[in-house]
Amino acid sequence: KAGVTQTPRYLIKTRGQQVTLSCSPISGHRSVSWYQQTPGQGLQFLFEYFSETQRNKGNFPGRFSGRQFSNSRSEMNVSTLELGDSALYLCASSLVASGNEQFFGPGTRLTVL
Amino acid sequence: SQQGEEDPQALSIQEGENATMNCSYKTSINNLQWYRQNSGRGLVHLILIRSNEREKHSGRLRVTLDTSKKSSSLLITASRAADTASYFCATDAVGSGNTPLVFGKGTRLSVIA
Repeated sequence: KAGVTQTPRYLIKTRGQQVTLSCSPISGHRSVSWYQQTPGQGLQFLFEYFSETQRNKGNFPGRFSGRQFSNSRSEMNVSTLELGDSALYLCASSLVASGNEQFFGPGTRLTVL
Repeated sequence: SQQGEEDPQALSIQEGENATMNCSYKTSINNLQWYRQNSGRGLVHLILIRSNEREKHSGRLRVTLDTSKKSSSLLITASRAADTASYFCATDAVGSGNTPLVFGKGTRLSVIA
């Protein structure tokens, strides 16, 4: 079974731009969660999607948004990028609920200049 | 906000020694999980222990859970250089509906050959 894939792996953007990150979960997994990882804040939960519906949302501004498609693939979007958005963005999938074992992708390293 | 707090923040040991990492959390949980992350990569699930379990083994890993103290420990026996990584605990808190995993800030383990 193929693992969780994330594209792109690396991204460099400038302040004010927007970015879209993509995540393909393991086949059959319906829950997709997104996390932001920074050295200062650690792993912070962004949101979780299940069957195309946002089921949980972390404490991030409205510039961070996401969606899930009928094939469970998910995208997250960050608009009006700030320097502090530089981070490793991780996507994780699980069979049903995000409280169970999660399978992580390799992450997208976003650098905002 | 972080639910779990790992201790120590960093640990350096010689190959062959045992490594013990601790995790404390704040609220009642359904389960607690441990993950490993190699530098800048995605997280890998190691083990899940449910709130009604006290100890669990998987290969060289031993996890204990004390719900009265809201704490868990991860023991890696006979460590190898390949065990060098960051280790995170994650808790699935009891709550209404599905709640996302909340990760601690991790313990950085260095195993010196």
